[in-house]
Amino acid sequence: DAGVIQSPRHEVTEMGQEVTLRCKPISGHNSLFWYRQTMMRGLELLIYFNNNVPIDDSGMPEDRFSAKMPNASFSTLKIQPSEPRDSAVYFCASSLAGDNVLTFGAGSRLTVL
Amino acid sequence: GQNIDQPTEMTATEGAIVQINCTYQTSGFNGLFWYQQHAGEAPTFLSYNVLDGLEEKGRFSSFLSRSKGYSYLLLKELQMKDSASYLCAAKGNFNKFYFGSGTKLNVKP
Repeated sequence: DAGVIQSPRHEVTEMGQEVTLRCKPISGHNSLFWYRQTMMRGLELLIYFNNNVPIDDSGMPEDRFSAKMPNASFSTLKIQPSEPRDSAVYFCASSLAGDNVLTFGAGSRLTVL
Repeated sequence: GQNIDQPTEMTATEGAIVQINCTYQTSGFNGLFWYQQHAGEAPTFLSYNVLDGLEEKGRFSSFLSRSKGYSYLLLKELQMKDSASYLCAAKGNFNKFYFGSGTKLNVKP
């Protein structure tokens, strides 16, 4: 398996622009998580899905953030409009429900100028 | 609420032993995990404890005390490649993983 695949790996954008981050979980995994990592706040859970259904989005910072999982092999995290404080590394991770290991993607490093 | 505490940074010498502590408080508890993260890379799974006691995996061991909300990761025979951040994570209700801010370990020759 190729692991959890995220794109883009790096994105630099200007304040106010829309950003879309993409994730392909490991085939067969039915739980998907979006995390954000910064020096100040560490790894923060934004939202997670079980069987493509959003279970808990209480970590989503505000309405500018939205996430979708239209099928078992694809998820997006969208920020619209983006702000400089959104600059961070965004990780997607997947697991098999009942399993105890989260497998992380390589992350998407976002810089908002 | 959820709270995971671990030291920010530690330094140790190559060949030595180092213990990284973690205290946690979560809504529900379904296991304590340790992940390793090298700079610029994704976290990778190291160990998992759900029952009290010590789990050993080669040079790495992890301990859990559920009554104290406490865990530690023990690294033996330190190597330079062990320089990384070590993240403590508690699994709460509904399959949610809560991560600490990580302990940056610097291994010196």
